[in-house]
Amino acid sequence: DAGVIQSPRHEVTEMGQEVTLRCKPISGHDYLFWYRQTMMRGLELLIYFNNNVPIDDSGMPEDRFSAKMPNASFSTLKIQPSEPRDSAVYFCASSLPGSGNQPQHFGDGTRLSIL
Amino acid sequence: AQTVTQSQPEMSVQEAETVTLSCTYDTSESNYYLFWYKQPPSRQMILVIRQEAYKQQNATENRFSVNFQKAAKSFSLKISDSQLGDTAMYFCAFKRGAQKLVFGQGTRLTINP
Repeated sequence: DAGVIQSPRHEVTEMGQEVTLRCKPISGHDYLFWYRQTMMRGLELLIYFNNNVPIDDSGMPEDRFSAKMPNASFSTLKIQPSEPRDSAVYFCASSLPGSGNQPQHFGDGTRLSIL
Repeated sequence: AQTVTQSQPEMSVQEAETVTLSCTYDTSESNYYLFWYKQPPSRQMILVIRQEAYKQQNATENRFSVNFQKAAKSFSLKISDSQLGDTAMYFCAFKRGAQKLVFGQGTRLTINP
């Protein structure tokens, strides 16, 4: 079975540009999570969806960040305008519904570098 | 808010030795789930093992086992017969219900030949 698929794997762009990260969850998973990993803050949740509906976006740093899930098989995380402090690895993860013992399955991440 | 603490930033052992990684957490919840994830240099996040808080029996997965002490809020990972491929960052994580994972800062484990 295919795992969580993220694209691109690497992104290098200049400050001020718009950045779009993409994620395809595992088929049948109705929870989707976006995490960010930095040296300073470790792994932190940005936002998560259930059945394509955003449930908790309290981790989204500011209005420059937005996330959408137009259907069950696709989600995007957009940064506009991008800043050097947004440089990080961004992970998408998905999980099955359940009482909580269902693990989250992670994609390979997108390494984002803002120059 | 839940917090997860991994007190060992780095550890190093010889191949075939047993190593234990520590994790403590803070929560007022009684029902929750705990996980260990491995992140090798390839940057993937790989599930190693999971534990439901309501289960008294410690989880095991081949060479990996946990020591879950609910009263002490401790969740350590033991790796037996360590192998070179076990070299990675290891993250302890807490989850309540179908919600976000709260991660510790990680322990960098190196297995030496």
